[in-house]
Amino acid sequence: GQNIDQPTEMTATEGAIVQINCTYQTSGFNGLFWYQQHAGEAPTFLSYNVLDGLEEKGRFSSFLSRSKGYSYLLLKELQMKDSASYLCAVRDRDYKLSFGAGTTVTVRA
Amino acid sequence: IAGITQAPTSQILAAGRRMTLRCTQDMRHNAMYWYRQDLGLGLRLIHYSNTAGTTGKGEVPDGYSVSRANTDDFPLTLASAVPSQTSVYFCASSARAGAANIQYFGAGTRLSVL
Repeated sequence: GQNIDQPTEMTATEGAIVQINCTYQTSGFNGLFWYQQHAGEAPTFLSYNVLDGLEEKGRFSSFLSRSKGYSYLLLKELQMKDSASYLCAVRDRDYKLSFGAGTTVTVRA
Repeated sequence: IAGITQAPTSQILAAGRRMTLRCTQDMRHNAMYWYRQDLGLGLRLIHYSNTAGTTGKGEVPDGYSVSRANTDDFPLTLASAVPSQTSVYFCASSARAGAANIQYFGAGTRLSVL
């Protein structure tokens, strides 16, 4: 099974950088995903890591360390529209996803 | 626009009633999933289907059943609803179960069981 931990809430100022950490314990690791979910909406895919290192996509980057069971999502140049929940999800060897409870990010002007 | 359609958008249901949540995708994805999302618990997998004709149990399958008669449709049935099944239900699909397959989510069904 999977045990996934991420902070419940974070607050940051517009234009700043925020780092959302995710730690996991798994019986079989087969990739880590980050999703964004605005209130009342569906989750949407942000990033995927299966090998150690940093994946960069515009203002968003995601890092993975498999030996430490650790990932982070970095949001740069924060905008008001980035206020949302960010979900860390770990895929197991049967290709099923287990999600963390999500981190609600509030961006303030 | 291609994607996943869920129906109904929301529903209030009396306890003990039977209810089927519908999910249809037009992306010809092989794998489909049902999740429930509860405050503080995140998304939890109820049932999944890696391909038409096959289904499997997820983390919280009790009280739910699914079928996958064809590629496009993956209905979720609550045979006799109970208040603990009050939740937001999301259907998702991916091209196939393996590799870097991204799961795409429908807009969700908000279900209240009274």
